[in-house]
Amino acid sequence: AQSVTQPDIHITVSEGASLELRCNYSYGATPYLFWYVQSPGQGLQLLLKYFSGDTLVQGIKGFEAEFKRSQSSFNLRKPSVHWSDAAEYFCAVGPYGGATNKLIFGTGTLLAVQP
Amino acid sequence: DGGITQSPKYLFRKEGQNVTLSCEQNLNHDAMYWYRQDPGQGLRLIYYSQIVNDFQKGDIAEGYSVSREKKESFPLTVTSAQKNPTAFYLCASSIARLEAFFGQGTRLTVV
Repeated sequence: AQSVTQPDIHITVSEGASLELRCNYSYGATPYLFWYVQSPGQGLQLLLKYFSGDTLVQGIKGFEAEFKRSQSSFNLRKPSVHWSDAAEYFCAVGPYGGATNKLIFGTGTLLAVQP
Repeated sequence: DGGITQSPKYLFRKEGQNVTLSCEQNLNHDAMYWYRQDPGQGLRLIYYSQIVNDFQKGDIAEGYSVSREKKESFPLTVTSAQKNPTAFYLCASSIARLEAFFGQGTRLTVV
């Protein structure tokens, strides 16, 4: 079955510390992979995406993610977290090819940032 | 500015009522989607549409209906058959298989 797993429901980091949010997926075909961020009561904003090519992708707000096919993972990283990064983060997988982008989402990781 | 507009931001429904959530986009995207978000469950696909006058059920379509009469509009009706409609509803659009862009959401509460 197609699925996305984000094993950490809630993470707390100190401001200035590094961050890694985990994402594992199960998908029967070559996937497109995405990370979105959501502030409370708001829609989702795209942080970064992986379609093909270089497995380390750069996104907005200083985030990056690395696609590891052998581990079926697409972990999100940031070297130094800012208080404004506190939000909920969603990993998603979509079909490579096809006419639509039917995304399968993980259950999200809620990030808290301590001063 | 191009984007996706959802209205209203907050909506209250009485038991047994149908309510319609609006979603409009001016991005000229062909595909549009409705997702439901519940705490701890991520986002689940309700309906999606690839082109005008065509739409398909997602994973949790029961109790919902949609229409796609115009490219820029994809309204969602939550019918009285939906037994647990209280949730945050997100509309999105995309060009084919590229990344989806999301609206700001509508929070529906049953009173």
